[in-house]
Amino acid sequence: DAGVTQSPTHLIKTRGQQVTLRCSPKSGHDTVSWYQQALGQGPQFIFQYYEEEERQRGNFPDRFSGHQFPNYSSELNVNALLLGDSALYLCASSLVGTGGSETFGSGTRLTVV
Amino acid sequence: KNEVEQSPQNLTAQEGEFITINCSYSVGISALHWLQQHPGGGIVSLFMLSSGKKKHGRLIATINIQEKHSSLHITASHPRDSAVYICAVFPNYGGSQGNLIFGKGTKLSVKP
Repeated sequence: DAGVTQSPTHLIKTRGQQVTLRCSPKSGHDTVSWYQQALGQGPQFIFQYYEEEERQRGNFPDRFSGHQFPNYSSELNVNALLLGDSALYLCASSLVGTGGSETFGSGTRLTVV
Repeated sequence: KNEVEQSPQNLTAQEGEFITINCSYSVGISALHWLQQHPGGGIVSLFMLSSGKKKHGRLIATINIQEKHSSLHITASHPRDSAVYICAVFPNYGGSQGNLIFGKGTKLSVKP
C-alpha cells in the first residue's frame, strides 16, 4: 500500500518563474494538506483540499494556489517565485472525519536562485 | 510567542542514554502528533495522542491535557534515532478543528 507520493523530489527554479508540485495521497485518503518548511523551522500550513475545493488556508499570499483532482491527487502552484520561497514543501493526506491522522510525504525540496 | 514550544532545541546524547523531549502548547487541542524527520525531509508520524500514554518499542509518548504538555521519551537510545523530532497539535477552536500547528523541532544526535 503506497503512502503519500510527492514529485519531483528536488527542483531548482529562477526568481519570477512558476512551479508546480504534485502529490498523490495514501490509498483511501480523500483530503490533502500542503505545508512549507523553511530551513531550521517547523512546517507551516499552506492550505487543505477536500472534494476538489480549498477547504482551509493558512497565511500565504495568492501566489500560492492549488488544485485537487477527482482521484484525490493534488497540485501546489507557486507563481512569481521569490528567493524566500526556497523550502521543503510537504504534502500530507488524511481521511475526513478521522480526527487528525495525517500521513506525510517525503517532500519536494525547492530552491529558488 | 509560538503556540507550540519544544525543548530542548538541540540534544546530544551517548548511545544507551534515556532521552526526553518536551512540548508545551497554548491552545485547546483535539490531538497531538509526535513526528520524526530525517535528513532529506520525509516525516514519519510516531504517535497521535489525545490523552494518557502510548508506547511503541523504545518510544513512549505522554500527554497531560490539563497542563497542556506532552513528552516524548526514548529508552536505550541508538545512533539511528538521530533525527529531528517535531511536536504538532490539532487546535480545537470551540469544536471546529483547525490545522496542524508545528513546533520548531528538536534536533537529536546520538553518538556511538
